[in-house]
Amino acid sequence: AQKVTQAQTEISVVEKEDVTLDCVYETRDTTYYLFWYKQPPSGELVFLIRRNSFDEQNEISGRYSWNFQKSTSSFNFTITASQVVDSAVYFCALSRNDYKLSFGAGTTVTVRA
Amino acid sequence: DAEITQSPRHKITETGRQVTLACHQTWNHNNMFWYRQDLGHGLRLIHYSYGVHDTNKGEVSDGYSVSRSNTEDLPLTLESAASSQTSVYFCASSEGRAGGITDTQYFGPGTRLTVL
Repeated sequence: AQKVTQAQTEISVVEKEDVTLDCVYETRDTTYYLFWYKQPPSGELVFLIRRNSFDEQNEISGRYSWNFQKSTSSFNFTITASQVVDSAVYFCALSRNDYKLSFGAGTTVTVRA
Repeated sequence: DAEITQSPRHKITETGRQVTLACHQTWNHNNMFWYRQDLGHGLRLIHYSYGVHDTNKGEVSDGYSVSRSNTEDLPLTLESAASSQTSVYFCASSEGRAGGITDTQYFGPGTRLTVL
């Protein structure tokens, strides 16, 4: 069985602060894939990143960065210099080699001006 | 532009009625998925399809059915709607690369269903 835990239910920050979202996963597979999705208040789900289990290189995309550590089964997401537009629910998800996704419960991020 | 659409966007129905939610994608993707989103649970997989005439049960399939008669559509049917099925429903699709390599799922805008 596989499982994704996002222990932080809600995070509130002031604009320009950095915020890190934790994602811890459980799987017995050696090949797996990790994802992050963003759900803004408008409700749609927006794909942010996909990583496979063989690529532990950290990634940066603008103000977003991801830290993948297999040793701790974590795939954390950091927003640097947060903005009001970053307010959303963020989901971490895990997949085996079967196309299906298992989602965490999500973390609600509120960025205050 | 290719896209994935869902209809209706909002639906109110009564307990016991049959309801069908539509999902249509124009990417020619092999894989299609239905999820429900409830507070505290994230998204949970209801049914999925890897191709025409293929359907499979997800973790919360009781009370739901799907059929895949073509590549573009995967309608979700609630046979006899129950209040516990009040939720937001998302459809998704992915290319479906050979060998089971999980590729990115792209989601529709969602359907908010209320069962009274």
